[in-house]
Amino acid sequence: DADVTQTPRNRITKTGKRIMLECSQTKGHDRMYWYRQDPGLGLRLIYYSFDVKDINKGEISDGYSVSRQAQAKFSLSLESAIPNQTALYFCATSGASSGSSYEQYFGPGTRLTVT
Amino acid sequence: QKEVEQNSGPLSVPEGAIASLNCTYSDRGSQSFFWYRQYSGKSPELIMFIYSNGDKEDGRFTAQLNKASQYVSLLIRDSQPSDSATYLCAVNSANAGGTSYGKLTFGQGTILTVHP
Repeated sequence: DADVTQTPRNRITKTGKRIMLECSQTKGHDRMYWYRQDPGLGLRLIYYSFDVKDINKGEISDGYSVSRQAQAKFSLSLESAIPNQTALYFCATSGASSGSSYEQYFGPGTRLTVT
Repeated sequence: QKEVEQNSGPLSVPEGAIASLNCTYSDRGSQSFFWYRQYSGKSPELIMFIYSNGDKEDGRFTAQLNKASQYVSLLIRDSQPSDSATYLCAVNSANAGGTSYGKLTFGQGTILTVHP
């Protein structure tokens, strides 16, 4: 089984709809991240969480919200989807430990299309 | 603003050659450096990380780090068509107190094509 899973894998929705993307991990990591990827723009950080009670905005958090329901679950919501939120969304995890290099491990991604 | 710069390519090399991918970063407080491989439509996959100056080898891959020049590179020896992908450089920067933490800044990636 995959260590980091994302649901749904593909989603088409209409402008103005609320949508939630979910991420679960079995790696035992305490840190979780949401990124979006657009052609030519690379990976951009939306939100990140270093533990259940710690939520931080990334560089492009406007229009998004998150919920860390448990150490293993981190959800991303689009309250009112707009077409320029069409992108590939990735969840990632990393573990905190002394001397850790903080490498991140990515889920398979969710392809979201907003029409 | 902390930046990570990569040549977007595409970099084209013949099968069996050495592919050299380069990355520069702006934050001198950066602690750890990562190379990810990403096939089209797939998620980034960690290839290597390095945090000490010098070379680190893993199979056909060698990461090279020069903190004084703020430069990190990835060499792929005996390149294969299956190495054709986008390679992402990522940097973990320290916070203001000098303690390393877990946020990564990614470059835009270099497209590598290995032709038979």
